[in-house]
Amino acid sequence: KAGVTQTPRYLIKTRGQQVTLSCSPISGHRSVSWYQQTPGQGLQFLFEYFSETQRNKGNFPGRFSGRQFSNSRSEMNVSTLELGDSALYLCASSPHPWLGGSYEQYFGPGTRLTVT
Amino acid sequence: AQKVTQAQTEISVVEKEDVTLDCVYETRDTTYYLFWYKQPPSGELVFLIRRNSFDEQNEISGRYSWNFQKSTSSFNFTITASQVVDSAVYFCALSREWNSGGSNYKLTFGKGTLLTVNP
Repeated sequence: KAGVTQTPRYLIKTRGQQVTLSCSPISGHRSVSWYQQTPGQGLQFLFEYFSETQRNKGNFPGRFSGRQFSNSRSEMNVSTLELGDSALYLCASSPHPWLGGSYEQYFGPGTRLTVT
Repeated sequence: AQKVTQAQTEISVVEKEDVTLDCVYETRDTTYYLFWYKQPPSGELVFLIRRNSFDEQNEISGRYSWNFQKSTSSFNFTITASQVVDSAVYFCALSREWNSGGSNYKLTFGKGTLLTVNP
């Protein structure tokens, strides 16, 4: 069974631009969560999608948004990029809605975004 | 609010040594889950273990073992006879249980411990 895939793996953008990152969950998984990892703040939850609906959102500005498609693939978008958005963005999938720790979350390799 | 503290930022050991990674957590919930993840240089978080707060039994999986002590809010991870391949960043994480009320069902991670195993 293929794991969680994220594209692209690396990305360099300029301040003020916008970026879209993609995540394909494990086949059959319907929940996708996004996390941001930075050296300063560590791993922080961005949002979770299930059945094309955002179920949960972390404490990030509105510049961070996402969506999920009917095939469970998810995209996250960051508009008006800032230098502080440079991070590793990790996607995780779960077979069911992320109801606390009832299930494991399986993480992808991440997209490393560099904003210059 | 939930919080996970991994006080050890970096640990360096020589191959075959045993090493323990500490994890202390804070939560007001009576039911919760604790996790350990491994992050090798490739970046992908690899799931190691999930533990329900009602299950305080220690667990052993090969060279890995976990010591969960609710009384001290700790969930420590020990690698026995460490190997170079164990070199990675290890994260401890905490999650609310699904019927805890409200929302905010997310993984709260510690800052991680960088383990370097030297040959």
